Formats: sequence, structure tokens, C-alpha cells
Amino acid sequence: AQSVTQPDIHITVSEGASLELRCNYSYGATPYLFWYVQSPGQGLQLLLKYFSGDTLVQGIKGFEAEFKRSQSSFNLRKPSVHWSDAAEYFCAVNNNAGNMLTFGGGTRLMVKP
Amino acid sequence: DVKVTQSSRYLVKRTGEKVFLECVQDMDHENMFWYRQDPGLGLRLIYFSYDVKMKEKGDIPEGYSVSREKKERFSLILESASTNQTSMYLCASTKLQGENQPQHFGDGTRLSIL
Repeated sequence: AQSVTQPDIHITVSEGASLELRCNYSYGATPYLFWYVQSPGQGLQLLLKYFSGDTLVQGIKGFEAEFKRSQSSFNLRKPSVHWSDAAEYFCAVNNNAGNMLTFGGGTRLMVKP
Repeated sequence: DVKVTQSSRYLVKRTGEKVFLECVQDMDHENMFWYRQDPGLGLRLIYFSYDVKMKEKGDIPEGYSVSREKKERFSLILESASTNQTSMYLCASTKLQGENQPQHFGDGTRLSIL
């Protein structure tokens, strides 16, 4: 069965600093990977997705993620964090059969002024 | 833009009550999902449906049931609410199976069982 691990439960960065959120997956076939963001009191919003092709994918709000098959990772990055990026971030893998997603436990990002 | 609407943002019910959580989507999506979200556990799938009157169990279906009488509406039912069902519930929808479409989420219902 597939699984997704986000090793960092909480991360705090200073505004303007760079950010990397880690995601590792376990899946036998070619994964379809997603990053979602959840602002307080809101549902989940899609940041970006990887299906195939270029392993560096660009998303909304200045985020990008890199798929590394050899490391089974799909880490999310942003060069310069803004205070409005404070939220919870979820990595997810699609099991390629029915659009069902398996989610990681989430990483809560706090941004210091 | 896809709109997934959950009928209540906050709900407080008592132990033993029958609770209905409603979800409506406006994009004619075939697939609909119910998740619960708990700190540190991410989102866990309760039930999903890929067509009207069709339903499939997810990872944690115990204590829940669902209803899909119309394509746009997917209801989650707690037959006899218990305190361990206090949680955030999220509904999502997506297009046809096999196309690896992203899921679109509602804003969630925070349910408290007293």
C-alpha cells in the first residue's frame, strides 16, 4: 500500500528566508504527486501537481517542487517566504486508480516577522 | 472555478444523535469524497462515491454512512454520534476516474460531539 511521510510536523522560518518542505512517498508504480495548502479555517487548495515529464514543477504563489525518483521524494520549495504563506501543507499521492489520494500528516509552517 | 460547498462550517451535536453533513459541487464531477482531518494524521478517507447511488468504503468507514441520491450532492451520516468523531470533515470532488485529476475541496465542517 502506498504511504506518504512528511517528516517535519512544524517548521518556522523568517519572512524573506527560503523554504523547503519535505515529502517522501512509498508507491510501487509511477506516482502522481500533489501539494496542497490549507490556510486556517479553510479547505485545501492545490499548489501544484506532478504527473510526468519535467521533474521540476511550478505552482501557484511562487512555489515549486522537484520529483526525485531515486529518493522517493517530492519536496516543496519557495525562494522567499511571505507572512501570508503561514499555513499547513499537505503532500499527497494518487494511487492511479480512481483518483483516490493518500495524504501525508501535514507540515505546519509558521513565519516570523 | 469549481465550487464545493459544505453546508455548515461549525456544528455542535450530542452523543447518540444522528448527524448529517452535506456537500454540494457545481462542476458535474463524478467522484466525491469525505475525509476527516485530525492533527498529525493528515486526511483520512471515510467514504467515496464515483456515481449516483454508488459508494465505496475508504480507510475509516466505521461509524459512518453516506448517501448520493443526486450527482451534485454527497452526504455523510453519523448514525449515532460519539465523542471520538469530533473532528474536521472535508468534502472533495473530482472528474472521471483514471484521469488523475486533482481533487477540489470544500472549506470543511468542524464538528464537535459533546
